Amino acid sequence: DVKVTQSSRYLVKRTGEKVFLECVQDMDHENMFWYRQDPGLGLRLIYFSYDVKMKEKGDIPEGYSVSREKKERFSLILESASTNQTSMYLCASSVQGANNYGYTFGSGTRLTVV
Amino acid sequence: GQNIDQPTEMTATEGAIVQINCTYQTSGFNGLFWYQQHAGEAPTFLSYNVLDGLEEKGRFSSFLSRSKGYSYLLLKELQMKDSASYLCASEGWGKFQFGAGTQVVVTP
Repeated sequence: DVKVTQSSRYLVKRTGEKVFLECVQDMDHENMFWYRQDPGLGLRLIYFSYDVKMKEKGDIPEGYSVSREKKERFSLILESASTNQTSMYLCASSVQGANNYGYTFGSGTRLTVV
Repeated sequence: GQNIDQPTEMTATEGAIVQINCTYQTSGFNGLFWYQQHAGEAPTFLSYNVLDGLEEKGRFSSFLSRSKGYSYLLLKELQMKDSASYLCASEGWGKFQFGAGTQVVVTP
């Protein structure tokens, strides 16, 4: 089975802290994505990457950065956490090109910033 | 631009049928996906449509009309475990745009 693993299921951080959310996939997928999910707003794309060392801004990149040093790992960084970044964060991966299965999602990290 | 619309909530009884509609406007449209998401869990893949028509998978079917920018997910013989949020997602230029999800509540 394709697996996308997010390092933490629940995190509580203080305002101003630097936060790292890690995501690893084991199926050699080229594409990786970070979303946040909030009630009534659905999934919103933060950043994505189509290749190692490549990154593109999604719809809501402000306050976030990413790193993709290896194909299997895509990290989301909150440079200085704020309370409005309290959310569920979902990592996803997919193959490049024609794709009948869409994304495979990780189990999510519920981040609370206090 | 990109826009996905689907109803917020639907309620149905066990054994019934429910149809969740989704309209989309997606640049470079490549396909339409439906995902199921139970509370506190990650979305899981349900179906994929790229050509017009109906795709049937057991109790679940999905329909696509590309010319109308319209899809629906049909859930038949509803079971209590089908209570979940159902996400419509369109793919364009390799990126997915998600609707806010339709919460389906199945009652006894």
